[in-house]
Order: sequence, then C-alpha cells, then structure tokens
Amino acid sequence: RKEVEQDPGPFNVPEGATVAFNCTYSNSASQSFFWYRQDCRKEPKLLMSVYSSGNEDGRFTAQLNRASQYISLLIRDSKLSDSATYLCVKRGSTLGRLYFGRGTQLTVWP
Amino acid sequence: SAVISQKPSRDICQRGTSLTIQCQVDSQVTMMFWYRQQPGQSLTLIATANQGSEATYESGFVIDKFPISRPNLTFSTLTVSNMSPEDSSIYLCSVDATGGESVAEAFFGQGTRLTVV
Repeated sequence: RKEVEQDPGPFNVPEGATVAFNCTYSNSASQSFFWYRQDCRKEPKLLMSVYSSGNEDGRFTAQLNRASQYISLLIRDSKLSDSATYLCVKRGSTLGRLYFGRGTQLTVWP
Repeated sequence: SAVISQKPSRDICQRGTSLTIQCQVDSQVTMMFWYRQQPGQSLTLIATANQGSEATYESGFVIDKFPISRPNLTFSTLTVSNMSPEDSSIYLCSVDATGGESVAEAFFGQGTRLTVV
C-alpha cells in the first residue's frame, strides 16, 4: 500500500464553488501532514500545514482525522487562480523524509 | 526560507548519454533531497544527499545510475547516467528550511524537465 493515496481528479468547478480533496495515509506513526500546491510546469510550494485540530487559512480549511488516517482540504469560493495540482504530503519518521500523493488536479472555470 | 537555483531547467538528450543536474542553495543545509516526478505521478524520492558522506538511495534507485555529489553544504549534483527514454521525467532537488509557519518546510528547485530521445 502506498504511503499516501490521493484521488487524482481532475476536478473542474466554476468560480465561487466549494471543492474538497481527500487523502488517506498509511502508517499511523506519521506525525506531520501538509498540502502543497503545484502550478503547471512549476515546483511544489507549501500551501498549508495540517493540524490535528483542523486549521483554516482564508478560503482554505485543512482537517486531519488520525483515527481514520484521513486528510482533507476544503476550498471555498474558488478563484480562477486556484487552478493547480494539490499534493497531499506526510512527513515520515526519518529526518526530512516526505511522502507525496500523486496530486489532485483542479481547474476553476469562469 | 530557502531559495534553490536548479539547472538546467530542461534538456533533450540522446539515449546512452548522461546529464548532470545542479542545485545551489542560498543557505547551508545538512540534507538535500532529489526527487523524480513522472507525468501524472507523485514525487518519488531518489536519494538523500548529506555533505561528507555517500548519498542514501531509495528502493529502486542505485548509485551507478544516479550518482550524486555533495561537496559542501550549499550545493549538490545529480547525474542521470546512460539515459533511456524511461528516464524522461522532471527531476527536482529539495531542502528543508524553516518557513513562514516556523516549522520545517520543504523548498524545491524549479525542476529539470528531461526528455530522452
């Protein structure tokens, strides 16, 4: 089983829509989780960390369910500029070791 | 944060040849990571490069195919040797640094888009 499983999409939504991405992970010992954003032909960049209590950054809400080993990202009021691939990432126990999901592609249309 | 300069940004190479990718970081870092991202796939870790020691390779990757150098704390190279079309991919280097949230954050080079013909 892969360390991080993610629905690749694609998701095609109109501006203003709310969209949610899900991700599951193996190895319950995993401690840290993140969502990265990758624009077309660009390198990944950190969007937000995911905390056990859930956290929000503007229109973005991330949640972690350790019991179900499940992570989610909710985007409200989608903008055209949100079009990108969103990568679910966990940090392993080995220093610096990251595991990436294959990414979920989002296209927001006007 | 960390700023990484990676080059070349892209290349088209003949099969059987080798390509060396360079990454320069604007600060000293203990570990540098090399990833491969094939079309539509996730980032796969190739190896971890520590200064002053041999790189640690992940399952499925070997030093003869992907030799790595790490001469100092700000620089690393990855060579893709004896290339075949299956090596066509994006190669990315990465480091951990303290980001805006004061936690370890992975920063990436701009990537090298390699096409082997």
